[in-house]
Amino acid sequence: QKEVEQDPGPLSVPEGAIVSLNCTYSNSAFQYFMWYRQYSRKGPELLMYTYSSGNKEDGRFTAQVDKSSKYISLFIRDSQPSDSATYLCAMTYDQTGANNLFFGTGTRLTVIP
Amino acid sequence: NAGVTQTPKFQVLKTGQSMTLQCAQDMNHNSMYWYRQDPGMGLRLIYYSASEGTTDKGEVPNGYNVSRLNKREFSLRLESAAPSQTSVYFCASHTSGRVSGELFFGEGSRLTVL
Repeated sequence: QKEVEQDPGPLSVPEGAIVSLNCTYSNSAFQYFMWYRQYSRKGPELLMYTYSSGNKEDGRFTAQVDKSSKYISLFIRDSQPSDSATYLCAMTYDQTGANNLFFGTGTRLTVIP
Repeated sequence: NAGVTQTPKFQVLKTGQSMTLQCAQDMNHNSMYWYRQDPGMGLRLIYYSASEGTTDKGEVPNGYNVSRLNKREFSLRLESAAPSQTSVYFCASHTSGRVSGELFFGEGSRLTVL
Protein backbone atom coordinates (compact mmCIF):
# COMPACT_ATOMS: atom_id res chain seq x y z
CA GLN A 1 0.00 0.00 0.00
CA LYS A 2 1.31 3.42 -0.94
CA GLU A 3 1.81 5.95 1.85
CA VAL A 4 -0.24 8.52 -0.06
CA GLU A 5 -3.05 7.85 -2.51
CA GLN A 6 -4.37 10.43 -4.94
CA ASP A 7 -6.90 10.06 -7.74
CA PRO A 8 -4.99 10.89 -10.95
CA GLY A 9 -8.04 12.22 -12.76
CA PRO A 10 -8.04 13.82 -15.23
CA LEU A 11 -10.63 16.25 -13.93
CA SER A 12 -12.31 18.68 -16.31
CA VAL A 13 -14.62 21.45 -15.05
CA PRO A 14 -16.22 24.60 -16.49
CA GLU A 15 -14.88 27.99 -15.50
CA GLY A 16 -16.40 29.19 -12.23
CA ALA A 17 -16.96 25.69 -10.81
CA ILE A 18 -15.88 24.60 -7.35
CA VAL A 19 -13.15 21.98 -7.55
CA SER A 20 -12.40 19.39 -4.89
CA LEU A 21 -9.10 17.53 -4.94
CA ASN A 22 -8.38 14.81 -2.42
CA CYS A 23 -5.71 12.54 -0.98
CA THR A 24 -5.78 9.74 1.53
CA TYR A 25 -2.86 8.47 3.54
CA SER A 26 -1.99 5.55 5.77
CA ASN A 27 0.64 6.88 8.18
CA SER A 28 -1.04 8.45 11.21
CA ALA A 29 2.26 10.14 12.13
CA PHE A 30 1.95 12.65 9.29
CA GLN A 31 1.47 16.13 10.71
CA TYR A 32 2.47 18.51 7.92
CA PHE A 33 0.38 18.60 4.76
CA MET A 34 1.06 20.43 1.55
CA TRP A 35 -0.44 21.02 -1.87
CA TYR A 36 1.83 21.71 -4.81
CA ARG A 37 0.73 23.00 -8.21
CA GLN A 38 2.60 21.94 -11.31
CA TYR A 39 2.00 23.59 -14.66
CA SER A 40 2.77 21.63 -17.79
CA ARG A 41 6.52 21.23 -18.36
CA LYS A 42 7.36 23.12 -15.17
CA GLY A 43 8.49 22.15 -11.70
CA PRO A 44 6.04 21.91 -8.79
CA GLU A 45 5.52 24.99 -6.65
CA LEU A 46 4.12 25.07 -3.12
CA LEU A 47 0.52 26.29 -3.07
CA MET A 48 -0.77 25.58 0.44
CA TYR A 49 0.67 24.32 3.71
CA THR A 50 -1.27 23.06 6.73
CA TYR A 51 -0.10 21.78 10.08
CA SER A 52 -2.20 19.09 11.79
CA SER A 53 -5.98 19.15 11.42
CA GLY A 54 -8.28 21.94 10.36
CA ASN A 55 -8.80 24.35 7.50
CA LYS A 56 -6.61 26.98 5.94
CA GLU A 57 -7.83 29.52 3.43
CA ASP A 58 -5.84 31.59 0.94
CA GLY A 59 -7.91 33.52 -1.54
CA ARG A 60 -9.87 31.08 -3.69
CA PHE A 61 -8.03 28.08 -2.21
CA THR A 62 -8.94 26.17 0.95
CA ALA A 63 -6.91 23.28 2.34
CA GLN A 64 -8.63 20.90 4.72
CA VAL A 65 -7.12 18.14 6.85
CA ASP A 66 -9.10 15.43 8.63
CA LYS A 67 -6.57 13.39 10.57
CA SER A 68 -9.20 11.08 12.04
CA SER A 69 -10.08 9.92 8.52
CA LYS A 70 -6.54 10.32 7.15
CA TYR A 71 -7.95 12.49 4.39
CA ILE A 72 -6.92 15.86 3.00
CA SER A 73 -8.63 18.08 0.48
CA LEU A 74 -7.96 21.15 -1.60
CA PHE A 75 -10.95 23.24 -2.67
CA ILE A 76 -10.74 25.79 -5.45
CA ARG A 77 -13.60 28.29 -5.65
CA ASP A 78 -14.52 30.19 -8.81
CA SER A 79 -12.04 28.11 -10.81
CA GLN A 80 -10.20 29.87 -13.63
CA PRO A 81 -8.50 28.56 -16.80
CA SER A 82 -5.21 29.60 -15.17
CA ASP A 83 -5.87 26.95 -12.49
CA SER A 84 -5.38 24.23 -15.13
CA ALA A 85 -2.45 22.25 -13.81
CA THR A 86 -1.54 19.07 -11.98
CA TYR A 87 -2.04 19.26 -8.21
CA LEU A 88 0.19 17.15 -5.98
CA CYS A 89 -0.48 16.51 -2.33
CA ALA A 90 2.50 15.93 -0.04
CA MET A 91 2.97 15.19 3.62
CA THR A 92 5.61 14.53 6.23
CA TYR A 93 5.88 13.77 9.92
CA ASP A 94 8.80 15.90 11.01
CA GLN A 95 10.56 19.17 10.46
CA THR A 96 14.06 17.78 9.98
CA GLY A 97 14.04 18.08 6.24
CA ALA A 98 12.28 17.14 3.06
CA ASN A 99 13.84 13.69 2.78
CA ASN A 100 10.80 12.29 4.55
CA LEU A 101 8.32 14.00 2.26
CA PHE A 102 5.76 11.72 0.62
CA PHE A 103 4.02 12.84 -2.56
CA GLY A 104 0.76 11.75 -4.15
CA THR A 105 0.84 10.96 -7.86
CA GLY A 106 -1.02 14.16 -8.76
CA THR A 107 -4.44 15.05 -10.17
CA ARG A 108 -4.56 16.76 -13.55
CA LEU A 109 -7.14 19.56 -13.63
CA THR A 110 -8.45 21.36 -16.71
CA VAL A 111 -10.71 24.38 -16.33
CA ILE A 112 -12.65 25.01 -19.54
CA PRO A 113 -13.43 28.66 -20.41
CA ASN B 1 16.14 35.81 -9.19
CA ALA B 2 16.87 32.47 -10.91
CA GLY B 3 16.00 30.13 -8.00
CA VAL B 4 16.89 26.55 -9.00
CA THR B 5 18.48 26.08 -12.43
CA GLN B 6 18.83 22.70 -14.12
CA THR B 7 20.82 21.80 -17.21
CA PRO B 8 20.27 20.32 -19.70
CA LYS B 9 16.51 20.66 -20.16
CA PHE B 10 16.35 17.80 -22.67
CA GLN B 11 18.67 14.90 -23.40
CA VAL B 12 18.51 11.72 -25.44
CA LEU B 13 20.96 8.94 -24.59
CA LYS B 14 21.66 5.47 -25.88
CA THR B 15 21.69 2.55 -23.47
CA GLY B 16 25.04 2.37 -21.72
CA GLN B 17 25.99 6.02 -22.21
CA SER B 18 26.76 8.23 -19.24
CA MET B 19 25.75 11.77 -18.47
CA THR B 20 25.54 14.29 -15.65
CA LEU B 21 22.59 16.49 -14.80
CA GLN B 22 23.59 19.79 -13.26
CA CYS B 23 21.68 21.77 -10.67
CA ALA B 24 22.46 25.11 -9.07
CA GLN B 25 20.49 27.24 -6.61
CA ASP B 26 21.08 30.86 -5.72
CA MET B 27 18.94 31.02 -2.57
CA ASN B 28 21.69 29.98 -0.13
CA HIS B 29 19.71 26.87 0.80
CA ASN B 30 21.36 24.15 2.85
CA SER B 31 19.56 21.08 1.48
CA MET B 32 19.26 19.89 -2.10
CA TYR B 33 17.37 16.98 -3.64
CA TRP B 34 17.06 15.00 -6.83
CA TYR B 35 13.69 13.52 -7.76
CA ARG B 36 12.41 11.62 -10.73
CA GLN B 37 8.81 11.93 -11.90
CA ASP B 38 7.13 9.16 -13.85
CA PRO B 39 3.47 8.77 -14.90
CA GLY B 40 1.48 6.99 -12.22
CA MET B 41 4.46 6.96 -9.84
CA GLY B 42 4.63 10.55 -8.74
CA LEU B 43 7.79 12.17 -7.44
CA ARG B 44 10.37 9.76 -6.04
CA LEU B 45 13.46 10.85 -4.19
CA ILE B 46 16.73 9.61 -5.70
CA TYR B 47 19.37 11.27 -3.52
CA TYR B 48 19.56 14.22 -1.23
CA SER B 49 22.17 16.38 0.45
CA ALA B 50 21.18 17.81 3.81
CA SER B 51 24.18 20.11 3.86
CA GLU B 52 27.37 20.82 1.97
CA GLY B 53 29.64 17.78 2.15
CA THR B 54 26.93 15.20 2.86
CA THR B 55 24.82 13.03 0.58
CA ASP B 56 22.30 10.27 1.32
CA LYS B 57 20.24 7.79 -0.63
CA GLY B 58 16.56 8.30 -1.15
CA GLU B 59 13.89 5.87 -2.29
CA VAL B 60 15.33 4.96 -5.72
CA PRO B 61 19.14 5.46 -5.75
CA ASN B 62 20.21 2.48 -7.87
CA GLY B 63 21.96 3.46 -11.09
CA TYR B 64 22.72 7.00 -9.93
CA ASN B 65 25.49 8.89 -8.19
CA VAL B 66 25.54 12.43 -6.85
CA SER B 67 28.05 15.10 -5.95
CA ARG B 68 27.46 18.12 -3.75
CA LEU B 69 30.12 20.29 -5.34
CA ASN B 70 29.55 23.25 -3.02
CA LYS B 71 26.59 24.86 -1.29
CA ARG B 72 25.10 26.00 -4.60
CA GLU B 73 25.57 22.96 -6.81
CA PHE B 74 24.32 19.38 -6.69
CA SER B 75 24.85 17.09 -9.69
CA LEU B 76 23.29 13.74 -10.61
CA ARG B 77 25.25 11.24 -12.68
CA LEU B 78 24.02 8.26 -14.65
CA GLU B 79 27.06 6.02 -15.21
CA SER B 80 25.46 3.56 -17.62
CA ALA B 81 22.02 4.71 -18.70
CA ALA B 82 19.17 2.21 -19.03
CA PRO B 83 15.74 2.64 -20.66
CA SER B 84 14.19 2.41 -17.17
CA GLN B 85 15.87 5.72 -16.40
CA THR B 86 13.79 7.52 -18.99
CA SER B 87 12.04 10.12 -16.84
CA VAL B 88 11.74 13.76 -15.92
CA TYR B 89 14.30 14.70 -13.29
CA PHE B 90 13.76 17.55 -10.84
CA CYS B 91 16.26 19.20 -8.59
CA ALA B 92 14.92 20.95 -5.50
CA SER B 93 16.26 22.91 -2.57
CA HIS B 94 15.13 23.64 0.97
CA THR B 95 16.44 25.59 3.90
CA SER B 96 16.05 25.20 7.64
CA GLY B 97 13.81 27.84 9.10
CA ARG B 98 11.14 27.14 6.53
CA VAL B 99 8.53 24.40 6.83
CA SER B 100 10.01 21.03 6.05
CA GLY B 101 7.82 20.38 3.03
CA GLU B 102 8.53 23.69 1.29
CA LEU B 103 10.74 22.69 -1.57
CA PHE B 104 11.80 24.95 -4.40
CA PHE B 105 11.98 23.03 -7.67
CA GLY B 106 13.79 23.59 -10.92
CA GLU B 107 11.98 23.29 -14.24
CA GLY B 108 13.08 19.72 -14.85
CA SER B 109 15.38 17.79 -17.16
CA ARG B 110 13.67 15.44 -19.59
CA LEU B 111 15.79 12.38 -20.28
CA THR B 112 15.08 9.68 -22.84
CA VAL B 113 17.21 6.54 -22.93
CA LEU B 114 16.90 4.52 -26.13
